Amino acid sequence: EAQVTQNPRYLITVTGKKLTVTCSQNMNHEYMSWYRQDPGLGLRQIYYSMNVEVTDKGDVPEGYKVSRKEKRNFPLILESPSPNQTSLYFCASSPKGGRILWDEQFFGPGTRLTVL
Amino acid sequence: DAKTTQPNSMESNEEEPVHLPCNHSTISGTDYIHWYRQLPSQGPEYVIHGLTSNVNNRMASLAIAEDRKSSTLILHRATLRDAAVYYCILSDYGQNFVFGPGTRLSVLP
Repeated sequence: EAQVTQNPRYLITVTGKKLTVTCSQNMNHEYMSWYRQDPGLGLRQIYYSMNVEVTDKGDVPEGYKVSRKEKRNFPLILESPSPNQTSLYFCASSPKGGRILWDEQFFGPGTRLTVL
Repeated sequence: DAKTTQPNSMESNEEEPVHLPCNHSTISGTDYIHWYRQLPSQGPEYVIHGLTSNVNNRMASLAIAEDRKSSTLILHRATLRDAAVYYCILSDYGQNFVFGPGTRLSVLP
């Protein structure tokens, strides 16, 4: 089944403890992206990647890192999480995006992160 | 980034058409207009997108004004399952994909 998977789905952690949220897609998509969703602020883009080894900052990149070593995976890394990173995180992928032609984005189920 | 303006909420009756407006007066020539929706407790779901011409797919129609300063998402027959937050988004090549607060659509049986 074509899908975007995220792990873990739920995570409670403490301030300063490094964590990684994984995102994987099995559709051979070039474009991948991370968003966070907060009440009253809607969905905001953190980072996006047009293809392997190409990443760009989105609207709210501070405190996050990403890497795109393989086409299918786009992990989100929080080196030193803080309580203001408590949020619902979504990963998305698209066959192509941006410079060539926009196409639909497929979203993962979300990861609810709580940082104490 | 060019911004979009949508009504906070709208109501519709089941099985009737719904027209969801979006204003984007500062749209640039290379901005695509995208519509996504988010059902309760789910991730966003693609609805439709276009550049200049009206677009139709199995889910909806997108009507784009001639000057491209506004667009309308048309759901031809609303069902209870269409109750969701609908987002109108502009994005240029390689630019940020920015979701606004969207329109919360309620569908009444």
